[in-house]
Amino acid sequence: EAQVTQNPRYLITVTGKKLTVTCSQNMNHEYMSWYRQDPGLGLRQIYYSMNVEVTDKGDVPEGYKVSRKEKRNFPLILESPSPNQTSLYFCASSLLAGAYEQYFGPGTRLTVT
Amino acid sequence: EDQVTQSPEALRLQEGESSSLNCSYTVSGLRGLFWYRQDPGKGPEFLFTLYSAGEEKEKERLKATLTKKESFLHITAPKPEDSATYLCAVQDSNYQLIWGAGTKLIIKP
Repeated sequence: EAQVTQNPRYLITVTGKKLTVTCSQNMNHEYMSWYRQDPGLGLRQIYYSMNVEVTDKGDVPEGYKVSRKEKRNFPLILESPSPNQTSLYFCASSLLAGAYEQYFGPGTRLTVT
Repeated sequence: EDQVTQSPEALRLQEGESSSLNCSYTVSGLRGLFWYRQDPGKGPEFLFTLYSAGEEKEKERLKATLTKKESFLHITAPKPEDSATYLCAVQDSNYQLIWGAGTKLIIKP
């Protein structure tokens, strides 16, 4: 089944404790992206990747890191999480960077206390 | 500055009562306008892509239309299972996606 998977689905952590949210897709997509979704603000892009080893900042990259060492994986790293990073995070992928539909993962709900 | 505004924020309809959701946008060089559906606790699910003014696409009870300044998502004779949040996004000439905040649609039986 074609899908985007994320882990963990739920995470409660404390300020400053490094964490990684994994994202994997099995559709051989070139383009991958991370979003955060907050009430009333819509989806905001954190980072995106056009291809392996190519990543770029989205609208709200501060406090986040990503890497794209393999085509299928695109982990999101929070080196020192803060309470303002409490949010719902989605990973998405699409065939290419153009006007192609994106496939979203199920989401990771992160709470930083 | 590129911007996407969706209205209304929330819409409550009776089953069978047709209506429309609006997505107004300002963007430099539109590559495409997307509609997605999002159910509570889930990731958005793709519905349509529109590329140029005058284009229309349909899927079951949904029909999306596009002009140079806005897009409409028309829902005809909706059913309770159509209840969801509908998201609009536009892609500009730099491949940047700008998302609206969504319209929460509730269909009462």
